[in-house]
Amino acid sequence: GQQLNQSPQSMFIQEGEDVSMNCTSSSIFNTWLWYKQDPGEGPVLLIALYKAGELTSNGRLTAQFGITRKDSFLNISASIPSDVGIYFCAGQLPRNGSGNTGKLIFGQGTTLQVKP
Amino acid sequence: NAGVTQTPKFQVLKTGQSMTLQCAQDMNHNSMYWYRQDPGMGLRLIYYSASEGTTDKGEVPNGYNVSRLNKREFSLRLESAAPSQTSVYFCASSERVTGEQYFGPGTRLTVT
Repeated sequence: GQQLNQSPQSMFIQEGEDVSMNCTSSSIFNTWLWYKQDPGEGPVLLIALYKAGELTSNGRLTAQFGITRKDSFLNISASIPSDVGIYFCAGQLPRNGSGNTGKLIFGQGTTLQVKP
Repeated sequence: NAGVTQTPKFQVLKTGQSMTLQCAQDMNHNSMYWYRQDPGMGLRLIYYSASEGTTDKGEVPNGYNVSRLNKREFSLRLESAAPSQTSVYFCASSERVTGEQYFGPGTRLTVT
């Protein structure tokens, strides 16, 4: 089946540093979504991207939809302790006559730890 | 708005027992989903309902059944629980099947 490769698997950084993570796939996606999951909670949507090349910001977060439609990255600037958590990318497959229903495929997550 | 709610929050079952996980959304979304999350495996789709009255299998449907009770509610049933079903289960909803998904807080299930 389709897979998303998310990297890095984990990061341990100093407060104030910038963070970058990405997802790649051999499949083309129509939409890229980025989620954050705090311990013991459900994933929360951070940013949604709909067009190849699109660059979208949400506060200190910036994400881009790759031109090839097979990748996306998320940057966090000036990290703070509350940025700690697991970040997931998710790609939405195109709907087509071969039965793809547009469902989400999730990456395995990037665990971020921030040292004050 | 509560968004997506799930009950129970925690559950411990013995092998062979059955139970139903409940999910409800108040966002008037058409599509609803059940995922399981295991360490190092990310989120895997169990079943989904594109619209009221329809359900379809996802990536890991074996051992589960679902019911789309109405537009708001989507339940997940384990008929005969197995230790391999120990996991965290998340329900999600979206306006349409190709839309952004919003998740509930999860149910932590342990099968002994």
